[in-house]
Amino acid sequence: GEDVEQSLFLSVREGDSSVINCTYTDSSSTYLYWYKQEPGAGLQLLTYIFSNMDMKQDQRLTVLLNKKDKHLSLRIADTQTGDSAIYFCAEILSGGSYIPTFGRGTSLIVHP
Amino acid sequence: DTGVSQDPRHKITKRGQNVTFRCDPISEHNRLYWYRQTLGQGPEFLTYFQNEAQLEKSRLLSDRFSAERPKGSFSTLEIQRTEQGDSAMYLCASSLSAAGAGSNEQFFGPGTRLTVL
Repeated sequence: GEDVEQSLFLSVREGDSSVINCTYTDSSSTYLYWYKQEPGAGLQLLTYIFSNMDMKQDQRLTVLLNKKDKHLSLRIADTQTGDSAIYFCAEILSGGSYIPTFGRGTSLIVHP
Repeated sequence: DTGVSQDPRHKITKRGQNVTFRCDPISEHNRLYWYRQTLGQGPEFLTYFQNEAQLEKSRLLSDRFSAERPKGSFSTLEIQRTEQGDSAMYLCASSLSAAGAGSNEQFFGPGTRLTVL
């Protein structure tokens, strides 16, 4: 079955790195996504990784995928107060209709 | 603004009333999705359209819910005889689906927050 799990909260100091973790259960996932949601807003796609990749870097964001352990992480370098938001991990299964299954989200709090 | 728009942004209604929400996707996008999000949860899929055809519905979509996309552009989501458990944020997203389209990135609207009293 499909299940995406994330820890609910992460608190970091401004300027430090943040690492948000996600585990998923379905090995047939093709794409794995990270979305950001600010209060009162919809979701914004930050980055994604295809399941045949181990790592993807995009400016301050680094995504690591461990397919054996079904573990995905998002590292934000030099975290800023504007990064405070809820971050959702999502997976899309192969052969399907490209409908993502989302985790419950990790609330990132960045304090000075 | 050429992003996904939703109307209204907020709706307060009494239990038993009907409500209708509208979503305007990005104009060249052929797929449109509806999700429901409750506090502390990620978005849960409700239904999606490819052009005007409704291709999939979640079991969350009870018979009180109906969605349409009559001309393959904007979509409406209607909830009849609302219940307090329908209180949630209703999110719309759109994407461009084509062979070899890659990630099928979905662009989300700001959502409609429904409160049923």
